[in-house]
Amino acid sequence: EAEVAQSPRYKITEKSQAVAFWCDPISGHATLYWYRQILGQGPELLVQFQDESVVDDSQLPKDRFSAERLKGVDSTLKIQPAELGDSAMYLCASSSPGAFPDTQYFGPGTRLTVL
Amino acid sequence: AQKITQTQPGMFVQEKEAVTLDCTYDTSDPSYGLFWYKQPSSGEMIFLIYQGSYDQQNATEGRYSLNFQKARKSANLVISASQLGDSAMYFCAMRPNNDMRFGAGTRLTVKP
Repeated sequence: EAEVAQSPRYKITEKSQAVAFWCDPISGHATLYWYRQILGQGPELLVQFQDESVVDDSQLPKDRFSAERLKGVDSTLKIQPAELGDSAMYLCASSSPGAFPDTQYFGPGTRLTVL
Repeated sequence: AQKITQTQPGMFVQEKEAVTLDCTYDTSDPSYGLFWYKQPSSGEMIFLIYQGSYDQQNATEGRYSLNFQKARKSANLVISASQLGDSAMYFCAMRPNNDMRFGAGTRLTVKP
């Protein structure tokens, strides 16, 4: 069964350090999403890609966060420098824009702890 | 503005009984989709069920069904014959356009 892959599963870092998360969507899914989920809350969208183009990054803190999907397949989310408030679960999801409904399928997430 | 509300932070249910998890939403868009996801302690969001705003019948997927009341803007998830493995966080989500909004979730605990 096709799955969204993410790595690492867990990351512990100190504040002011740089961290990066990787996501490989389900094969053939042109749309890729990065979400942040703070403990006790629902996921919130950070950035959405359609192929290699950014569709929505209005909620991405661009002073420290960046995301890319250079070849329109896998994607990297980077935080530099990390702050204590960045501790959260970072979820990647993908969907096929031609499918109905356009259900988003999620990966296992990366749990980030900033010390 | 689109908003999803889940008013039950936690719910308990006895194994083999049915349980209803509440979800209300607010949108001015006439066309939208409603989704329910399950999130076990491992963290992965698992898609359960979908309901379109124009669907005439309530969606069902195995032991999951969605009680869709459009006029009341509610989309409650019903889990029948609860199992211990159903213990998890459950999130309701709405997608009127490109933007998926999630509720705060309900933690379901199934008692043996």
